[in-house]
Amino acid sequence: GAVVSQHPSWVICKSGTSVKIECRSLDFQATTMFWYRQFPKQSLMLMATSNEGSKATYEQGVEKDKFLINHASLTLSTLTVTSAHPEDSSFYICSAVPGAPGVNTEAFFGQGTRLTVV
Amino acid sequence: GNSVTQMEGPVTLSEEAFLTINCTYTATGYPSLFWYVQYPGEGLQLLLKATKADDKGSNKGFEATYRKETTSFHLEKGSVQVSDSAVYFCALSDYGGATNKLIFGTGTLLAVQP
Repeated sequence: GAVVSQHPSWVICKSGTSVKIECRSLDFQATTMFWYRQFPKQSLMLMATSNEGSKATYEQGVEKDKFLINHASLTLSTLTVTSAHPEDSSFYICSAVPGAPGVNTEAFFGQGTRLTVV
Repeated sequence: GNSVTQMEGPVTLSEEAFLTINCTYTATGYPSLFWYVQYPGEGLQLLLKATKADDKGSNKGFEATYRKETTSFHLEKGSVQVSDSAVYFCALSDYGGATNKLIFGTGTLLAVQP
């Protein structure tokens, strides 16, 4: 099946610094990628839709200036958590859709990134 | 809004035991329902899906039936193996059978002991 690689798998950073998470589709091109996050004891929640060559679409309540998304190529989307704070500590996971999203397309997920801000 | 509720874990079973992980949903319209599995160190993988009421999704011995009357999509397996140890996520989508934008439950950790 299609493979999506997410890097890093885990990261610890100091409060106030920025962290970049990469999501790569290894064997297919993805016009659209999605970013989710999961706080402890809560559901995986969609944060934003990343579109190659255009601006990301953010879900309600997600700060676009804090969570910068760049989808500069058909195989790479990056999520940068700017000026991270302890409350940003979470599990972040991406998914990628081969080709153009349609009614029956399947998204493939990365393995996730555990971010801890100290 | 739409939501998914699944039973909290961890669920600990002995090998060959029967597995049920409960999942209920709240949605307007007619969502599609999914179960995903995440093995340690790997990404979420689609395990099975059902796109309309009374459909049964099945894969690798796992089954789930889309019950509109009870708004449920419980995951079952007759005889679990140690290799089934993983986190299982129930999810729904308003976009037909697509898994583009998903609403997930919290995930249930299954630990199968030999």
